[in-house]
Amino acid sequence: GAGVSQSPRYKVAKRGQDVALRCDPISGHVSLFWYQQALGQGPEFLTYFQNEAQLDKSGLPSDRFFAERPEGSVSTLKIQRTQQEDSAVYLCASSRARDQPQHFGDGTRLSIL
Amino acid sequence: GESVGLHLPTLSVQEGDNSIINCAYSNSASDYFIWYKQESGKGPQFIIDIRSNMDKRQGQRVTVLLNKTVKHLSLQIAATQPGDSAVYFCAEKQTGGFKTIFGAGTRLFVKA
Repeated sequence: GAGVSQSPRYKVAKRGQDVALRCDPISGHVSLFWYQQALGQGPEFLTYFQNEAQLDKSGLPSDRFFAERPEGSVSTLKIQRTQQEDSAVYLCASSRARDQPQHFGDGTRLSIL
Repeated sequence: GESVGLHLPTLSVQEGDNSIINCAYSNSASDYFIWYKQESGKGPQFIIDIRSNMDKRQGQRVTVLLNKTVKHLSLQIAATQPGDSAVYFCAEKQTGGFKTIFGAGTRLFVKA
């Protein structure tokens, strides 16, 4: 079946602009995770959803970062007033449950100029 | 703080040889461990996982070993192939928790 789909694959924005990154998880997966991956580093946890409930947002770097999953399927990660340090690959993963293997999308590469 | 680290940042092996990638973790409360493979431009791909009630688990050409006494995890790849060339991450999690902690990764080069 279809895997996790993320869009756009690449996003270039000027510092100060707002961006929105989309994640389409695998159908039926309850759990959805967002990660930030800097070049040459492992993914860093940002936030976790169980269906539409955001149960953990402890990894969001600042209040400029906001995530939602209003209907328990598609999720959007929004970054307001982007800064250069926001440049990274943003990965989305979904799983049947929080303690089951996560399936990752190929990420959105965000570059802030 | 909590961390998952790797002993070797790069590993180069000859095609057909076995590969061993090592990982140390520091959070003794972690009880679920996962290995992922990441190719350039792609998201991490699940390889194999192990829970703390086991010390060994085998998959297709891969074996994960867990030593809770010294907080050490390893991934063994048998008969390494060029297609195995990638960055490998170990990750740890506490059952019931939300956060998965990834290590920095080991790049595996397979020489033909």
